[in-house]
Amino acid sequence: GNSVTQMEGPVTLSEEAFLTINCTYTATGYPSLFWYVQYPGEGLQLLLKATKADDKGSNKGFEATYRKETTSFHLEKGSVQVSDSAVYFCALIRAGGTSYGKLTFGQGTILTVHP
Amino acid sequence: NAGVTQTPKFQVLKTGQSMTLQCAQDMNHEYMSWYRQDPGMGLRLIHYSVGAGITDQGEVPNGYNVSRSTTEDFPLRLLSAAPSQTSVYFCASSYGSDRASYEQYFGPGTRLTVT
Repeated sequence: GNSVTQMEGPVTLSEEAFLTINCTYTATGYPSLFWYVQYPGEGLQLLLKATKADDKGSNKGFEATYRKETTSFHLEKGSVQVSDSAVYFCALIRAGGTSYGKLTFGQGTILTVHP
Repeated sequence: NAGVTQTPKFQVLKTGQSMTLQCAQDMNHEYMSWYRQDPGMGLRLIHYSVGAGITDQGEVPNGYNVSRSTTEDFPLRLLSAAPSQTSVYFCASSYGSDRASYEQYFGPGTRLTVT
């Protein structure tokens, strides 16, 4: 079956530090990959996505590249801000078959950024 | 345009009680789904619907019922609440389920405690 594994958290950084949150996946076929962000007390919001190998998703200074050879979709940001403190979820949807629309999530990574 | 709305925001139930979590969307989305969020486990799919009158089970359906009589509404019913159902519940919707790249929009969540 499909699965997503994220790096263990929580992650604590100082403002302007470099961020990497690792995400690897297992899926048959060619999944679409997503990063969702959950700010305190809120629902999930799509941060970025990539739908095929070598695609790079980007938004709000965050980037992630779909690496099929390493089955990875690591999230990076060059300089984090206090406002980036949130929970980050890596997720996939497998294209085709009966998996349409069914997101498979990683366990989430809590990020705290200090001034 | 309210997006995806959920009620109530918080609920406390006693073991054995029943209740319905409400979810509505005003974006004319075909696809709707329910997830539960538990610490260290990410979000897991409970039930989903690909259109009015059509529902199916997700990863963790036991103890929950759904129906989809209209495009807008997708209520989740707990038939006999158990402490294991203590969780945060999220409803999500998207334009369709036949494209793996479709973004899913999440509601703000319902925090349920079963004592």
